Amino acid sequence: AQSVTQLGSHVSVSEGALVLLRCNYSSSVPPYLFWYVQYPNQGLQLLLKYTSAATLVKGINGFEAEFKKSETSFHLTKPSAHMSDAAEYFCAVDSGNTGKLIFGQGTTLQVKP
Amino acid sequence: EAQVTQNPRYLITVTGKKLTVTCSQNMNHEYMSWYRQDPGLGLRQIYYSMNVEVTDKGDVPEGYKVSRKEKRNFPLILESPSPNQTSLYFCASSSTSDLAKNIQYFGAGTRLSVL
Repeated sequence: AQSVTQLGSHVSVSEGALVLLRCNYSSSVPPYLFWYVQYPNQGLQLLLKYTSAATLVKGINGFEAEFKKSETSFHLTKPSAHMSDAAEYFCAVDSGNTGKLIFGQGTTLQVKP
Repeated sequence: EAQVTQNPRYLITVTGKKLTVTCSQNMNHEYMSWYRQDPGLGLRQIYYSMNVEVTDKGDVPEGYKVSRKEKRNFPLILESPSPNQTSLYFCASSSTSDLAKNIQYFGAGTRLSVL
C-alpha cells in the first residue's frame, strides 16, 4: 500500500532563503507523486507532479522537486522564498486507478521578512 | 470559468441535525471525489464516483453518504452529524483523460463545525 510522510509540520525560512520541504513515500509500484499548495482560505492547487518521466520536475511559482528512487523521496525546493509562498504544502501519491490521492500530513511554510 | 463549487463554505450545526454539502462542477467531468482534511492527518478520501450512479467508498466513509444522480453534482450527506465530523471538506473532480494524467481539480473547501 502506498503512503506518504512529510517531515516537519512547520518550516520557517527568511525571505530570499532556500525552501526545502521533505516528502518520503512508500509504494509497491512505480509511484505517481504530487505536490499541492493550499493558500489560506483556498482550495488545493497542483504545484507539480512526477509521472515517471524526468526525475527533476519543475512546477509553478519557481518550485521544483526531484524524484529519488534510492531514497524514496520527492522533496520540494525553491531557491529563493517569497512572502507569497507562505501556505500549507501537501505531498501526495496516487493510489491506483481510482483517482484516490494519498496525502501526507502537510507542512506549513512560514516566510519571515 | 471552469470550476468546482462547494456550498456552503462555512457551516456550524448541532449533533444529529442532517446536513448536505453540495459540490458542483461545470467541466463535464466523469470523476468526482470528497476528502476531509484534519490537522496532522492531511486529506483522506471519503467517497468517490467514477460516473453517474457509480459511487464507492474511500478510506473514511463512516457517517457519510453520497449520491451521483447527475454528472455535475456530487453532494455529501451527513445524516446524523457528530462532533468528530468537524473538519474541512474538499470536493475534487476530473475527466477520464485528466485522471489518467493524474490531474484533479479541487473546490475551495467547506469548513464544518458540529457542536
